[in-house]
Amino acid sequence: NAGVTQTPKFQVLKTGQSMTLQCAQDMNHNSMYWYRQDPGMGLRLIYYSASEGTTDKGEVPNGYNVSRLNKREFSLRLESAAPSQTSVYFCASRDVWTGELFFGEGSRLTVL
Amino acid sequence: KQEVTQIPAALSVPEGENLVLNCSFTDSAIYNLQWFRQDPGKGLTSLLLIQSSQREQTSGRLNASLDKSSGRSTLYIAASQPGDSATYLCAVNSGNTPLVFGKGTRLSVIA
Repeated sequence: NAGVTQTPKFQVLKTGQSMTLQCAQDMNHNSMYWYRQDPGMGLRLIYYSASEGTTDKGEVPNGYNVSRLNKREFSLRLESAAPSQTSVYFCASRDVWTGELFFGEGSRLTVL
Repeated sequence: KQEVTQIPAALSVPEGENLVLNCSFTDSAIYNLQWFRQDPGKGLTSLLLIQSSQREQTSGRLNASLDKSSGRSTLYIAASQPGDSATYLCAVNSGNTPLVFGKGTRLSVIA
């Protein structure tokens, strides 16, 4: 009963390095989301994918790219990491029938 | 644009007390509202989902109510325990757009 799985759980990068956060869900959900969470800022939407083959920008998309690889997987890429991207990143998927949102455990990223 | 507010930002209560957490939203045209719990360093766990046609949902010691016309939802926790200490977030679903989250209420239950 995995739900939403994110990898890696922790990562330290140097400024300018690139990396990809992976997310997979096994609930056959169409919609998937990437959020970041920072102290005092709450959850902010980076990108989302309403269905396989589509992606849309959220509130804070600058510096990120996404790929909806298939229905199960939605990855988030930082092409040139900056200290301002130090955060906890959460992936989520949504049940289209009930509207319920399910989250992964998060990925803690530190950019030095 | 939908905005979601949770007041207070932090709350401390003695063990055993019944308590109410508040969530307000600006646009009453919602499909549903979801309450989450987040423990430090962890992800968000769904607690209750209330559809727009419902007035309340219950799970164990938790009861969530929804008043669309006034733009408010409350999460009632009965007989609070130290294990209830966490941050509680509400999120509003207004259709095929992404959910809008409040910033949460950090609850501490003191033994």
